[in-house]
Amino acid sequence: KAGVTQTPRYLIKTRGQQVTLSCSPISGHRSVSWYQQTPGQGLQFLFEYFSETQRNKGNFPGRFSGRQFSNSRSEMNVSTLELGDSALYLCASSLAKGPLEQYFGPGTRLTVT
Amino acid sequence: AQKITQTQPGMFVQEKEAVTLDCTYDTSDPSYGLFWYKQPSSGEMIFLIYQGSYDQQNATEGRYSLNFQKARKSANLVISASQLGDSAMYFCAMREPRDSNYQLIWGAGTKLIIKP
Repeated sequence: KAGVTQTPRYLIKTRGQQVTLSCSPISGHRSVSWYQQTPGQGLQFLFEYFSETQRNKGNFPGRFSGRQFSNSRSEMNVSTLELGDSALYLCASSLAKGPLEQYFGPGTRLTVT
Repeated sequence: AQKITQTQPGMFVQEKEAVTLDCTYDTSDPSYGLFWYKQPSSGEMIFLIYQGSYDQQNATEGRYSLNFQKARKSANLVISASQLGDSAMYFCAMREPRDSNYQLIWGAGTKLIIKP
């Protein structure tokens, strides 16, 4: 069974631009969670989607948004990029809601210049 | 206040030795779960082991075991017979039902380096 895939793996953007990251969960998994990882703040939860509905959101500004499609694939979007948005963005999928038995993708490393 | 504390930013361990990675947590909820993840330099987060607050036995998964001391709010990861491939960042995380619908709260991580 294929694992969680994230595209692109690396991305360089400039301040003020917007970016869309994609996550394809393991086949059959309906929950997708997103995390931001930075050296300063560590790992922080962004949001979770289950069956196309956002069921949980972390403490991030409205510039961070996401969605989930009927095939469970998820995208997250960051508008008006800031230097501090440079991070590794990790996506995780699971069969059910919540963080039990989450399987992570390799991440997308975003650099904002 | 820090909810998950990993006091060891880095550790060097000789290959084949056992290693204990510390994790203490803070919660007032009786129902919670504790996770350990491994993150190699490639970036992918790999689930290692899970301990529920009501589990009577300490969790074990192959060479990984969790030394769960509820009264001390401690959930240390023990890796037996360490291997070079164990070199990675290790994160402890907690799930609380009261905390925004089960989102994970993460520790700062411990960088483990296994020496040959």
